[in-house]
Amino acid sequence: LAKTTQPISMDSYEGQEVNITCSHNNIATNDYITWYQQFPSQGPRFIIQGYKTKVTNEVASLFIPADRKSSTLSLPRVSLSDTAVYYCLVGDWMDSSYKLIFGSGTRLLVRP
Amino acid sequence: NAGVTQTPKFRILKIGQSMTLQCTQDMNHNYMYWYRQDPGMGLKLIYYSVGAGITDKGEVPNGYNVSRSTTEDFPLRLELAAPSQTSVYFCASRKGTGELFFGEGSRLTVL
Repeated sequence: LAKTTQPISMDSYEGQEVNITCSHNNIATNDYITWYQQFPSQGPRFIIQGYKTKVTNEVASLFIPADRKSSTLSLPRVSLSDTAVYYCLVGDWMDSSYKLIFGSGTRLLVRP
Repeated sequence: NAGVTQTPKFRILKIGQSMTLQCTQDMNHNYMYWYRQDPGMGLKLIYYSVGAGITDKGEVPNGYNVSRSTTEDFPLRLELAAPSQTSVYFCASRKGTGELFFGEGSRLTVL
Protein backbone atom coordinates (compact mmCIF):
# COMPACT_ATOMS: atom_id res chain seq x y z
CA LEU A 1 0.00 0.00 0.00
CA ALA A 2 1.33 3.44 -0.92
CA LYS A 3 0.10 4.86 2.35
CA THR A 4 1.21 8.39 3.16
CA THR A 5 2.42 9.47 6.57
CA GLN A 6 2.55 13.09 7.69
CA PRO A 7 2.89 14.85 11.04
CA ILE A 8 -0.51 15.33 12.63
CA SER A 9 0.05 19.00 13.40
CA MET A 10 2.58 21.81 13.16
CA ASP A 11 2.79 25.28 14.65
CA SER A 12 4.49 28.27 13.11
CA TYR A 13 4.58 32.07 13.26
CA GLU A 14 3.82 34.61 10.63
CA GLY A 15 6.71 35.26 8.27
CA GLN A 16 8.42 31.94 8.89
CA GLU A 17 9.09 29.22 6.34
CA VAL A 18 7.19 26.00 6.97
CA ASN A 19 8.27 22.60 5.72
CA ILE A 20 5.88 19.67 5.86
CA THR A 21 7.28 16.26 5.03
CA CYS A 22 5.27 13.33 3.76
CA SER A 23 6.47 9.75 3.68
CA HIS A 24 5.28 7.49 0.85
CA ASN A 25 7.59 4.49 0.91
CA ASN A 26 5.68 2.38 -1.62
CA ILE A 27 5.02 5.01 -4.26
CA ALA A 28 4.51 3.56 -7.73
CA THR A 29 7.13 4.24 -10.41
CA ASN A 30 4.84 6.35 -12.55
CA ASP A 31 2.96 8.11 -9.74
CA TYR A 32 2.93 11.84 -9.11
CA ILE A 33 2.93 13.49 -5.69
CA THR A 34 0.28 16.13 -5.18
CA TRP A 35 -0.34 18.44 -2.24
CA TYR A 36 -3.67 19.97 -1.28
CA GLN A 37 -4.79 22.62 1.20
CA GLN A 38 -8.13 22.46 2.94
CA PHE A 39 -9.90 25.16 4.94
CA PRO A 40 -12.85 24.33 7.21
CA SER A 41 -16.11 23.70 5.36
CA GLN A 42 -14.37 23.75 1.97
CA GLY A 43 -13.12 21.13 -0.44
CA PRO A 44 -9.36 20.60 -0.75
CA ARG A 45 -7.58 22.92 -3.11
CA PHE A 46 -4.57 22.02 -5.25
CA ILE A 47 -1.25 23.53 -4.20
CA ILE A 48 1.49 21.82 -6.18
CA GLN A 49 2.37 18.60 -7.97
CA GLY A 50 5.68 16.97 -8.81
CA TYR A 51 7.32 13.78 -9.95
CA LYS A 52 10.96 14.24 -8.97
CA THR A 53 13.54 16.84 -7.86
CA LYS A 54 12.11 20.28 -7.22
CA VAL A 55 9.01 22.08 -8.39
CA THR A 56 8.16 25.68 -7.58
CA ASN A 57 5.08 27.78 -8.23
CA GLU A 58 3.82 31.09 -6.95
CA VAL A 59 2.72 29.72 -3.57
CA ALA A 60 4.99 26.80 -2.66
CA SER A 61 7.91 24.56 -3.49
CA LEU A 62 7.98 20.80 -3.53
CA PHE A 63 11.17 18.86 -2.91
CA ILE A 64 11.35 15.21 -3.90
CA PRO A 65 14.53 13.19 -3.28
CA ALA A 66 15.87 10.77 -5.85
CA ASP A 67 14.32 7.70 -4.21
CA ARG A 68 10.89 9.44 -4.17
CA LYS A 69 9.99 7.80 -0.87
CA SER A 70 9.19 11.16 0.67
CA SER A 71 8.40 14.70 -0.33
CA THR A 72 8.55 18.07 1.42
CA LEU A 73 6.14 20.91 0.88
CA SER A 74 7.75 24.27 1.60
CA LEU A 75 5.61 27.32 2.29
CA PRO A 76 7.70 30.52 2.32
CA ARG A 77 6.81 33.28 4.77
CA VAL A 78 3.48 31.93 6.01
CA SER A 79 0.64 34.20 7.03
CA LEU A 80 -2.37 33.67 9.28
CA SER A 81 -4.41 32.72 6.21
CA ASP A 82 -2.19 29.66 5.68
CA THR A 83 -3.71 28.04 8.75
CA ALA A 84 -5.30 24.95 7.22
CA VAL A 85 -4.94 21.19 6.82
CA TYR A 86 -2.40 20.04 4.25
CA TYR A 87 -2.58 16.67 2.53
CA CYS A 88 -0.07 14.91 0.33
CA LEU A 89 -1.65 12.48 -2.09
CA VAL A 90 -0.23 9.61 -4.07
CA GLY A 91 -2.05 6.72 -5.70
CA ASP A 92 -2.68 3.53 -3.82
CA TRP A 93 -3.19 0.03 -5.16
CA MET A 94 -6.15 -1.42 -3.35
CA ASP A 95 -8.16 -4.49 -4.41
CA SER A 96 -6.11 -4.67 -7.61
CA SER A 97 -7.04 -1.20 -8.75
CA TYR A 98 -5.43 2.19 -8.47
CA LYS A 99 -7.20 4.59 -6.13
CA LEU A 100 -6.55 8.06 -4.73
CA ILE A 101 -6.54 7.59 -0.97
CA PHE A 102 -6.00 10.59 1.28
CA GLY A 103 -3.98 10.32 4.45
CA SER A 104 -4.79 12.08 7.70
CA GLY A 105 -3.16 15.35 6.71
CA THR A 106 -1.15 17.91 8.69
CA ARG A 107 -2.99 20.60 10.59
CA LEU A 108 -0.91 23.78 10.35
CA LEU A 109 -1.54 26.59 12.81
CA VAL A 110 0.09 29.93 12.05
CA ARG A 111 0.30 32.26 15.02
CA PRO A 112 0.71 36.07 14.97
CA ASN B 1 -16.46 28.11 -15.88
CA ALA B 2 -18.50 26.22 -13.26
CA GLY B 3 -16.01 23.39 -12.54
CA VAL B 4 -17.51 20.74 -10.23
CA THR B 5 -21.05 21.42 -9.05
CA GLN B 6 -22.70 19.52 -6.21
CA THR B 7 -26.33 19.58 -5.16
CA PRO B 8 -27.82 19.86 -2.64
CA LYS B 9 -25.49 21.81 -0.36
CA PHE B 10 -27.39 20.78 2.76
CA ARG B 11 -29.85 18.01 3.49
CA ILE B 12 -31.43 16.43 6.54
CA LEU B 13 -32.66 12.86 6.19
CA LYS B 14 -34.56 10.57 8.47
CA ILE B 15 -33.20 7.11 9.19
CA GLY B 16 -34.18 4.74 6.42
CA GLN B 17 -34.81 7.39 3.80
CA SER B 18 -32.96 7.41 0.49
CA MET B 19 -31.53 10.23 -1.57
CA THR B 20 -29.16 11.05 -4.38
CA LEU B 21 -26.32 13.54 -4.22
CA GLN B 22 -25.74 15.08 -7.60
CA CYS B 23 -22.34 15.91 -9.07
CA THR B 24 -21.63 17.35 -12.46
CA GLN B 25 -18.46 18.71 -14.05
CA ASP B 26 -18.01 20.74 -17.21
CA MET B 27 -14.28 20.17 -17.74
CA ASN B 28 -14.58 16.95 -19.76
CA HIS B 29 -12.65 15.08 -17.09
CA ASN B 30 -12.59 11.32 -17.36
CA TYR B 31 -11.98 10.57 -13.68
CA MET B 32 -14.56 11.36 -11.00
CA TYR B 33 -14.57 10.63 -7.27
CA TRP B 34 -16.80 10.71 -4.23
CA TYR B 35 -15.27 11.28 -0.81
CA ARG B 36 -16.80 11.69 2.61
CA GLN B 37 -15.30 13.66 5.45
CA ASP B 38 -16.41 13.29 9.03
CA PRO B 39 -15.80 16.16 11.48
CA GLY B 40 -12.10 16.67 12.19
CA MET B 41 -11.10 13.73 10.01
CA GLY B 42 -9.53 13.18 6.61
CA LEU B 43 -11.27 12.29 3.38
CA LYS B 44 -12.40 8.74 2.73
CA LEU B 45 -12.92 7.50 -0.82
CA ILE B 46 -16.39 6.04 -1.37
CA TYR B 47 -16.51 5.33 -5.11
CA TYR B 48 -14.73 6.50 -8.19
CA SER B 49 -15.08 6.28 -11.96
CA VAL B 50 -12.47 6.25 -14.71
CA GLY B 51 -14.98 7.05 -17.44
CA ALA B 52 -18.58 6.74 -18.51
CA GLY B 53 -19.93 3.30 -17.69
CA ILE B 54 -17.03 2.34 -15.41
CA THR B 55 -17.15 2.62 -11.62
CA ASP B 56 -15.25 1.00 -8.76
CA LYS B 57 -15.36 0.87 -4.99
CA GLY B 58 -13.17 2.93 -2.75
CA GLU B 59 -12.39 2.53 0.95
CA VAL B 60 -15.91 2.88 2.34
CA PRO B 61 -18.52 1.89 -0.30
CA ASN B 62 -21.05 0.15 1.95
CA GLY B 63 -24.43 1.88 1.98
CA TYR B 64 -23.79 3.76 -1.26
CA ASN B 65 -24.22 3.26 -4.97
CA VAL B 66 -23.04 5.20 -8.00
CA SER B 67 -23.56 5.33 -11.72
CA ARG B 68 -21.73 7.09 -14.55
CA SER B 69 -23.92 7.21 -17.63
CA THR B 70 -22.27 10.37 -18.99
CA THR B 71 -18.84 11.98 -18.73
CA GLU B 72 -20.32 14.97 -16.92
CA ASP B 73 -22.43 13.36 -14.18
CA PHE B 74 -21.57 11.09 -11.27
CA PRO B 75 -24.47 10.81 -8.82
CA LEU B 76 -24.09 9.14 -5.42
CA ARG B 77 -27.09 7.22 -4.11
CA LEU B 78 -27.68 6.60 -0.41
CA GLU B 79 -30.08 3.77 0.30
CA LEU B 80 -31.60 3.36 3.76
CA ALA B 81 -29.81 6.28 5.37
CA ALA B 82 -28.17 5.66 8.74
CA PRO B 83 -26.78 8.11 11.35
CA SER B 84 -23.28 6.85 10.48
CA GLN B 85 -23.70 8.46 7.06
CA THR B 86 -23.88 11.91 8.60
CA SER B 87 -20.93 13.61 6.96
CA VAL B 88 -19.78 16.11 4.36
CA TYR B 89 -19.59 14.63 0.90
CA PHE B 90 -17.18 15.92 -1.70
CA CYS B 91 -17.20 15.15 -5.39
CA ALA B 92 -14.01 15.63 -7.38
CA SER B 93 -12.80 15.20 -10.92
CA ARG B 94 -9.52 15.20 -12.77
CA LYS B 95 -8.08 14.59 -16.19
CA GLY B 96 -5.37 11.96 -16.41
CA THR B 97 -2.73 12.43 -13.71
CA GLY B 98 -3.59 16.06 -13.10
CA GLU B 99 -4.91 17.75 -10.03
CA LEU B 100 -8.23 16.96 -8.42
CA PHE B 101 -10.91 19.64 -8.69
CA PHE B 102 -13.36 19.51 -5.80
CA GLY B 103 -16.91 20.67 -5.47
CA GLU B 104 -18.08 22.77 -2.53
CA GLY B 105 -19.43 19.77 -0.67
CA SER B 106 -22.82 18.47 0.42
CA ARG B 107 -23.49 18.42 4.14
CA LEU B 108 -25.77 15.53 5.06
CA THR B 109 -27.35 14.91 8.45
CA VAL B 110 -29.23 11.70 9.21
CA LEU B 111 -31.50 11.83 12.24
